[in-house]
Amino acid sequence: KQEVTQIPAALSVPEGENLVLNCSFTDSAIYNLQWFRQDPGKGLTSLLLIQSSQREQTSGRLNASLDKSSGRSTLYIAASQPGDSATYLCAVNTGKLIFGQGTTLQVKP
Amino acid sequence: GAVVSQHPSRVICKSGTSVKIECRSLDFQATTMFWYRQFPKQSLMLMATSNEGSKATYEQGVEKDKFLINHASLTLSTLTVTSAHPEDSSFYICSASGLVNTEAFFGQGTRLTVV
Repeated sequence: KQEVTQIPAALSVPEGENLVLNCSFTDSAIYNLQWFRQDPGKGLTSLLLIQSSQREQTSGRLNASLDKSSGRSTLYIAASQPGDSATYLCAVNTGKLIFGQGTTLQVKP
Repeated sequence: GAVVSQHPSRVICKSGTSVKIECRSLDFQATTMFWYRQFPKQSLMLMATSNEGSKATYEQGVEKDKFLINHASLTLSTLTVTSAHPEDSSFYICSASGLVNTEAFFGQGTRLTVV
């Protein structure tokens, strides 16, 4: 059974810091991995999609890496801003999306 | 990215009544749609997977007679919560994708409150 774990559960940083969010999964048989952002009471916004054959994807200040063999992905956020405050979810696609518990990020001005 | 529209965003209903939530893919054909439930401060729990024109596949522990899912077209799936009870109060989110290995897009979610 695929299990997805995200560490840390919560993170508070001052504005401007670079930070790394971690995601691990137990079964490497995945189609892809997605990172999402969720604001309180809202739906999910897709940030980055990494196909199983890819190693990383970049979008603006965000960079996501994937090491399928070790069952790990990281989301790197450069020069964090207060507007980045949200819950970040990773999900692996096995034909359906299996989500981690999320990392709640607070960026303080 | 593609747009998935979910309606209504909020609904309050009386215990014992049924509520229908719609999920539409506005600019692409969604071969597969997924329905999730999210409790406060928890992650998304997959309820069921629906493919256009066929019966939905429900996750273990999800009552298919209580949560009716219809995926009648490539752009519309509906979730009906039948005989709702207060414990059904939750945040329900749908997602849609084309092929199985492509990006999934999510609706805005529906906050259901059963009183």
